[in-house]
Amino acid sequence: GQQVMQIPQYQHVQEGEDFTTYCNSSTTLSNIQWYKQRPGGHPVFLIQLVKSGEVKKQKRLTFQFGEAKKNSSLHITATQTTDVGTYFCAEAAGNKLTFGGGTRVLVKP
Amino acid sequence: NAGVMQNPRHLVRRRGQEARLRCSPMKGHSHVYWYRQLPEEGLKFMVYLQKENIIDESGMPKERFSAEFPKEGPSILRIQQVVRGDSAAYFCASSPGVTGGFIQYFGAGTRLSVL
Repeated sequence: GQQVMQIPQYQHVQEGEDFTTYCNSSTTLSNIQWYKQRPGGHPVFLIQLVKSGEVKKQKRLTFQFGEAKKNSSLHITATQTTDVGTYFCAEAAGNKLTFGGGTRVLVKP
Repeated sequence: NAGVMQNPRHLVRRRGQEARLRCSPMKGHSHVYWYRQLPEEGLKFMVYLQKENIIDESGMPKERFSAEFPKEGPSILRIQQVVRGDSAAYFCASSPGVTGGFIQYFGAGTRLSVL
């Protein structure tokens, strides 16, 4: 079945620095959604990308969908301690979400 | 304007007991989904239900697990004769369906511990 892979699995970031997490698929994705889960919390929807090459921004977060619709990225600038958590990408297809394994972000003050 | 409500938040069971997890979707949402999350892993789809119907249960284990979404009341995920491997966080999500663009809203989860 469809598999969505995320790298890196862990990301240690110095406060104030930028980082990027990636989501890859071997097959074309119909769409990509990004969620954030704080430690001990639940997934919270961030964004959905549908079009090839689409780029969306939310304050310090930039989301991109690849031209071939096989990959996506989330770039965070000027990381803050509030960015701590796990970021998941997911494809919504067939009435269900198929999640990647997530990137666990730890911020060093 | 309550979100997705799940209870209990934490559930402890001994091996062989039954676990019942409840989920009330957001107001106006008729689609309910259950996911399981093991520690340090992503969420895995279990089942998708609409009122009184199971639409997709391709992620449900073949035995001991069942789900329902009755005409009245919350959706229930039932695990019979629990084993240690059932220990996980179980999340419920709801959506309004196609009109909502397939965006799902998650509850706070039920963390099941099997002793």
